[in-house]
Amino acid sequence: QKEVEQDPGPLSVPEGAIVSLNCTYSNSAFQYFMWYRQYSRKGPELLMYTYSSGNKEDGRFTAQVDKSSKYISLFIRDSQPSDSATYLCAMSANTGNQFYFGTGTSLTVIP
Amino acid sequence: NAGVTQTPKFQVLKTGQSMTLQCAQDMNHNSMYWYRQDPGMGLRLIYYSASEGTTDKGEVPNGYNVSRLNKREFSLRLESAAPSQTSVYFCASSELTAARREQYFGPGTRLTVT
Repeated sequence: QKEVEQDPGPLSVPEGAIVSLNCTYSNSAFQYFMWYRQYSRKGPELLMYTYSSGNKEDGRFTAQVDKSSKYISLFIRDSQPSDSATYLCAMSANTGNQFYFGTGTSLTVIP
Repeated sequence: NAGVTQTPKFQVLKTGQSMTLQCAQDMNHNSMYWYRQDPGMGLRLIYYSASEGTTDKGEVPNGYNVSRLNKREFSLRLESAAPSQTSVYFCASSELTAARREQYFGPGTRLTVT
């Protein structure tokens, strides 16, 4: 079983829709949770960072962590064509130096 | 503040040739990483360096070597390139503290081995 599971999609939504992206994980030691956005032929760009459980909001983006279910989500409100990209979840534990990534979900927002 | 920079951006090699991918960061991070990204496989860790003077293998280290030249720079070397090493290579850096643990990525090197 992989440490982090992410539905690869592709996901296609109309402009203005609310998008929900999700990852599940198996390692209960994970405490640090990240979402990255990767445009085609570019490097991953850090979008949201959350420590431990709870919600974090930044503009149209909300990250949620449910450690009891080992489930994290990224919500995008009022989605725009410029949000079309691949979204990667990542996580890390308190100990060790490595990060564990999902395989990414491809999102297209149709004007 | 450039963040993480990588050179070259593109490279084509013939099987058996060698090359070094360069990475530098200006965020004063202790930890640096090399990943490869292939379609359907996600990001796979090749090597990482938790601090200056140390390096450790990741998930897919075979065929690669690394050098942590100083705190800023971390290079990846392919001694004898193989077609299976055709990929996009990303360097990343991170400051691993109790409060913060996110990674920052470079723009990538697109490598083709023929």
